[in-house]
Amino acid sequence: EVELVESGGGLVKPGGSLRLSCAASGFTFRSYSMNWVRQAPGKGLEWVASISRGSDYIYYADSVKGRFIISRDNDKNSLYLQMNSLRAEDTAVYHCARGWVVGATEFDSWGQGTLVTVSS
Amino acid sequence: SYELTQPLSVSVALGQTARITCGGNNIGSKNVHWYQQKPGQAPVLVIYRDNNRPSGIPERLSGSNSGNTATLTISRAQVGDEADYYCQVWDSYTVVFGGGTKLTVL
Repeated sequence: EVELVESGGGLVKPGGSLRLSCAASGFTFRSYSMNWVRQAPGKGLEWVASISRGSDYIYYADSVKGRFIISRDNDKNSLYLQMNSLRAEDTAVYHCARGWVVGATEFDSWGQGTLVTVSS
Repeated sequence: SYELTQPLSVSVALGQTARITCGGNNIGSKNVHWYQQKPGQAPVLVIYRDNNRPSGIPERLSGSNSGNTATLTISRAQVGDEADYYCQVWDSYTVVFGGGTKLTVL
């Protein structure tokens, strides 16, 4: 069974940093692209970033470009999101999601998410 | 940047057919995916590449895509179909989600 479990969320002050992790199991992690999608409280889904199987293709939403870094460790079956210069508008539940061709295909499995709150 | 437009809400009588639209410029040339999200839960893929159902998704859910509109159709609507529904495409190296539609079954 495919399982994606996010961790690392919490309360952080504006301008601070946080690193999210997503532990994958139940499938061959290195064979899939991976993605981060966030959802602010009471709002819709917003794509954050995508990374290809071998980390050679990486894409970001304009809203996080230059502040967030997506990465993966295929040996550890893990996906990461380094979030820097955090703003109040980054407050959201962050989900990791599995894809196939980076960005271009559907997200067929999602984690439950981890909540990031940016507040002073 | 590419935009997807969904109605904020759609209501359907129990057992009837609901149609949720997703509008975008020439969206018919793109692959459209649909997700269902119930309160407090992660999104679930219900339709991929316009009209394909993942395993476990009932045949009552179907999709179509042509011109400037993609449509998710839910036949014989059930109370369990009440959820938020999001369409999604890939455009210019960007993943785009629609704003979401809340489906209410009356």
